[in-house]
Amino acid sequence: AQRVTQPEKLLSVFKGAPVELKCNYSYSGSPELFWYVQYSRQRLQLLLRHISRESIKGFTADLNKGETSFHLKKPFAQEEDSAMYYCALKRTNDYKLSFGAGTTVTVRA
Amino acid sequence: GAGVSQSPSNKVTEKGKDVELRCDPISGHTALYWYRQSLGQGLEFLIYFQGNSAPDKSGLPSDRFSAERTGGSVSTLTIQRTQQEDSAVYLCASSLVAGDTEAFFGQGTRLTVV
Repeated sequence: AQRVTQPEKLLSVFKGAPVELKCNYSYSGSPELFWYVQYSRQRLQLLLRHISRESIKGFTADLNKGETSFHLKKPFAQEEDSAMYYCALKRTNDYKLSFGAGTTVTVRA
Repeated sequence: GAGVSQSPSNKVTEKGKDVELRCDPISGHTALYWYRQSLGQGLEFLIYFQGNSAPDKSGLPSDRFSAERTGGSVSTLTIQRTQQEDSAVYLCASSLVAGDTEAFFGQGTRLTVV
């Protein structure tokens, strides 16, 4: 069975500092990986997906199959990045997402 | 509406009572999912509907949980004989087609069992 691990429940950084949210997964096939974000009093929304290889709001994430990781990074954190972040995995030919426990990020001025 | 709509937004119920949670997906979305968000537990998949196909109920935690989707649109999640451990935020999501990489989530229903 697949599993998604986010080892940090809480992450606090200063504005302008780099931020990295860790995500590790266990799955024997070729997964699709995602990062979802939930800002305060807003609904959960997709931030980025590995297949797009895009940068959204300054965030990037690279799928490392050797280390089975999909860490989310931003070089200069902003206060508006404060939110709950979830890493998620979709198995090949599957339709549901398996989520990690989430990381709450606080960016302090 | 423009997004996935869930009602009620908050529900407090007594242990042992039944509750119904409603989800209105985005118009035209054929896939509908229910997830449960518990403190520190992440999001747990509950059930999935795709068009007229039989739903995937593999995530339902017990036979007290059931869901239906009428006319391929609105879905109702029912929890019978609620227990305190059922307290969580129940999220509904929809996507255009099955396995579509982007699922759109509702605001959720916060269920508190006292």
